[in-house]
Amino acid sequence: DGGITQSPKYLFRKEGQNVTLSCEQNLNHDAMYWYRQDPGQGLRLIYYSQIVNDFQKGDIAEGYSVSREKKESFPLTVTSAQKNPTAFYLCASSPTRPGELFFGEGSRLTVL
Amino acid sequence: AQRVTQPEKLLSVFKGAPVELKCNYSYSGSPELFWYVQYSRQRLQLLLRHISRESIKGFTADLNKGETSFHLKKPFAQEEDSAMYYCALHNQAGTALIFGKGTTLSVSS
Repeated sequence: DGGITQSPKYLFRKEGQNVTLSCEQNLNHDAMYWYRQDPGQGLRLIYYSQIVNDFQKGDIAEGYSVSREKKESFPLTVTSAQKNPTAFYLCASSPTRPGELFFGEGSRLTVL
Repeated sequence: AQRVTQPEKLLSVFKGAPVELKCNYSYSGSPELFWYVQYSRQRLQLLLRHISRESIKGFTADLNKGETSFHLKKPFAQEEDSAMYYCALHNQAGTALIFGKGTTLSVSS
């Protein structure tokens, strides 16, 4: 079954802890993206990667980090430096030039 | 800077009524614009893009460069159209999409 898989769906974290969200795709897409979705804020771009071993900051990259060691995988780490990490995180992929983004089901992170 | 503005957080209409979801953008150059939709308990997905000039599920959107708008329209709303709608724009480098804050469409009978 092709598509984008995000895990976990729900994650709880204590303040001060780093947490990594997984995103895997088997669509053979070059580009992958992380967005944060908050009520009333829409989708805001955190990081994106056009190709393996390369990534760029989006509008709200502070407190986040990513890696792109494999074409299929683009994990997002929410670090303790992120001041307001409780949110819904969406991963997406697309062919090199973004037109149709294919989204995962999302991961909801709650910081206790 | 590139920006997408969706002025309405919520739009409520009755079944059979016309629908117009507003989207305005700021961009220098030739923009590429999209509408994405998220139905309840489903993934966010592409609804339509301006370059294809097609109608999807009865929805159309025309790019108006003079008014910098890309409003989404449907002549007769259906209950199954109830969803969150996002307007999106390519960033200047063409490497990512910038989304608006979204409009919730509620269609009631």
